[in-house]
Amino acid sequence: DAGVTQSPTHLIKTRGQQVTLRCSPKSGHDTVSWYQQALGQGPQFIFQYYEEEERQRGNFPDRFSGHQFPNYSSELNVNALLLGDSALYLCASSFGTVDEKLFFGSGTQLSVL
Amino acid sequence: ELKVEQNPLFLSMQEGKNYTIYCNYSTTSDRLYWYRQDPGKSLESLFVLLSNGAVKQEGRLMASLDTKARLSTLHITAAVHDLSATYFCAVGRKTSYDKVIFGPGTSLSVIP
Repeated sequence: DAGVTQSPTHLIKTRGQQVTLRCSPKSGHDTVSWYQQALGQGPQFIFQYYEEEERQRGNFPDRFSGHQFPNYSSELNVNALLLGDSALYLCASSFGTVDEKLFFGSGTQLSVL
Repeated sequence: ELKVEQNPLFLSMQEGKNYTIYCNYSTTSDRLYWYRQDPGKSLESLFVLLSNGAVKQEGRLMASLDTKARLSTLHITAAVHDLSATYFCAVGRKTSYDKVIFGPGTSLSVIP
């Protein structure tokens, strides 16, 4: 049973560019959450998708947007990249109220130069 | 706004010693999570605590929850080098569509 998979694992972009990160949830999971983890800090909640809709959003600007597909996979898009967007981006999946915990992917390390 | 604090943020301890990491949160919550993260790696779930007085143990780690005090502890018994990592507590609600908020993490170094 595949766990949460994210792609790509590493990415280098320059300021002003746009980036798309991808996540496939654990089999049977229908909810995907995205987190940004800067070096030396705890993960910061970006947003959560359920039934193809954004259900919750953290304190992130509109440059951060997302999408969930009918197969429950998800994308995180960041426009007009800033140096401060350099971080590890983590995807977590869960299922309704049944699962007690979030399952995390290995993350995408984004570097903005 | 839900806030999660951890204490201490950095911890250096000798092998064989005991220590406790504390996690405080600001509002009522249904779930308290503890995660471990090794450098450059993703998050590994350690414990999920769902009710007041809940206690869970796995090897040298034991987690407890006091919902009235809004406090969770992660107790380390007879530390070994393999426990060196960053430990995060996080708080959420039973409905999965509520966000899970993480604390800043406690960086633990176990010294031989």
